[in-house]
Order: sequence, then structure tokens, then C-alpha cells
Amino acid sequence: DAGVIQSPRHEVTEMGQEVTLRCKPISGHNSLFWYRQTMMRGLELLIYFNNNVPIDDSGMPEDRFSAKMPNASFSTLKIQPSEPRDSAVYFCASSFEDSNQPQHFGDGTRLSIL
Amino acid sequence: GENVEQHPSTLSVQEGDSAVIKCTYSDSASNYFPWYKQELGKGPQLIIDIRSNVGEKKDQRIAVTLNKTAKHFSLHITETQPEDSAVYFCAASSGGYQKVTFGIGTKLQVIP
Repeated sequence: DAGVIQSPRHEVTEMGQEVTLRCKPISGHNSLFWYRQTMMRGLELLIYFNNNVPIDDSGMPEDRFSAKMPNASFSTLKIQPSEPRDSAVYFCASSFEDSNQPQHFGDGTRLSIL
Repeated sequence: GENVEQHPSTLSVQEGDSAVIKCTYSDSASNYFPWYKQELGKGPQLIIDIRSNVGEKKDQRIAVTLNKTAKHFSLHITETQPEDSAVYFCAASSGGYQKVTFGIGTKLQVIP
């Protein structure tokens, strides 16, 4: 079975540039999550989609961050303009919408903003 | 909101010994407690989970215990092996739309 697929695996860009991270969830899953992982703050939920609709974006740090899910098999997380403090590993996860089903994570995108 | 505390932050054990990681949670409505293992360069992978209607669950060398009254749960790894070396995360969820709150993680090192 194909797991959650994220691209790119690594991204290095200069401050001020636009960054787009991509995620393909597991086929059949209808919930999708974007997380950010840093040493200081651990795993933080940024936004959650259910049936392609954003349900909770309270974790999105600021207006520079935006996320979309145009269909059930694709989501993007965009940062514009990027800043050095955005450097982190960004994970996408998916699951079935059901009470307490496990989330399946991709291998993440390591983002470095210079 | 939910707050999950996890300790220790680092743990070193000799191969063959047991390792125990403990977590506490704050929201009494939490009823699902997954544990994830994260290897270097990989995403977290579910290794075991427990729901609030049971107090203990075991899968080969891994076991989890849950004390709802005290709001704490633990991961036990017996007969540790070098491949158990990783970062382990506990988490808690109260269901609904499945917002899962993660602990800060425990870096486990198994010394051969």
C-alpha cells in the first residue's frame, strides 16, 4: 500500500520566497492534517481538513501560511513570504474520519529558509 | 485544550533491558491514546494504541497501560534491541474531529 506521499523531501530557499509543500494522502482517507515539527515546540497541528474542507486552522501561525485541498488526493501548504523562523520539518498525515482512528504520517519535508 | 506531558526526554538502556516512557494528560474527555515511533528522517509511525475502555494492551515486546483516574499512560518495551532506538511520542485525543495532542517525545537509545 502506498503511504502518505510528501514532496519535496528537502527545500532550501531564501527568505522572502514563496514555498509550496505538497501532500498526497492515502487513498480512501478523508481526513488530512498538516503538522510542523521543531526541537523547541515538538509536533504542532497547523490545520485539519475533512472531506476536503478546512475544519480547524487555529494552528496556522499567521497569514503568511495557507493550505488548500482541491480534491481528495492532493493538498498544499504554502508559505508566502517565507522567513528563517519557518525552518522546520513539515508533516502531512491522513486518516479515516471515524472515532479515534490512527493517523498515518508521510516522511515530511525538511524546510530551510536562509 | 488538552495538554500532554511526557518523560523522560531521553532514555538510555542496555540491550535486553526494559524501557518505560510515561505520559500524563489533562483533558478527562480524552479517550484514545496512540504511541508513535519516529526514526531519523522518517515520519512518526503508529506502534500501538489504547482506548479508554481498556487498561492494558500488549503486542509482542510492547505494552501500554492506562490509568484514567490518574490520567496517565505508559509505554513499556521489554527485551530492547538496537533497532528500538528512536524517538517515541505519546498522544491523546478526545475523538470528535480527532485533534491529537502529542507529547514532546522521548529519545530512546539502546546500547548494544
